[in-house]
Amino acid sequence: DAGVIQSPRHEVTEMGQEVTLRCKPISGHDYLFWYRQTMMRGLELLIYFNNNVPIDDSGMPEDRFSAKMPNASFSTLKIQPSEPRDSAVYFCASSRTTGDLMNTEAFFGQGTRLTVV
Amino acid sequence: KQEVTQIPAALSVPEGENLVLNCSFTDSAIYNLQWFRQDPGKGLTSLLLIQSSQREQTSGRLNASLDKSSGRSTLYIAASQPGDSATYLCAVSDSGNTPLVFGKGTRLSVIA
Repeated sequence: DAGVIQSPRHEVTEMGQEVTLRCKPISGHDYLFWYRQTMMRGLELLIYFNNNVPIDDSGMPEDRFSAKMPNASFSTLKIQPSEPRDSAVYFCASSRTTGDLMNTEAFFGQGTRLTVV
Repeated sequence: KQEVTQIPAALSVPEGENLVLNCSFTDSAIYNLQWFRQDPGKGLTSLLLIQSSQREQTSGRLNASLDKSSGRSTLYIAASQPGDSATYLCAVSDSGNTPLVFGKGTRLSVIA
């Protein structure tokens, strides 16, 4: 398996523009997570899905942020309009429900480095 | 609310030295704890996962221990090498597939 795939790897955009980040989870994984990493706050959860349904979006900072998962193999995180303070690395991760919850392991993509100027 | 703390924030050691990275968490009701490695500009690579029922896990030169009741974990790296230089992140899961809660990491530099 190719692992969790994110695109683009780098995005530079102007303030006010719409930004769409994409994620393909590992095949067969039923949980998908979006995290944001900054120097100040570290890694923080934005939203996560189970079987394509959003479970908890309390980490989404503002209404400017939205996420969708139209099917089991694709998710998007959209920022509209973007602001300089949105500059960060955005990670997608996935995991699979097994009979052994204690052994559930999360796998991360390479991240998308977003710069809003 | 679960909080994860990693100390020290940065560490510099000479090559060959054995070292310990520390992680503490506030709520001991966890399912598992994962240690990750992150190289500059890269994603997270899972190193070790310790289930709450386990006390330690080993992989090569790495050994992770877990003391759930005291809310602590350590990552022991034996005979450190310059290639071990990276940021090491600790994360806990409160319930199986619930999201991981991360510490801010320890940035390790191993000097040749």
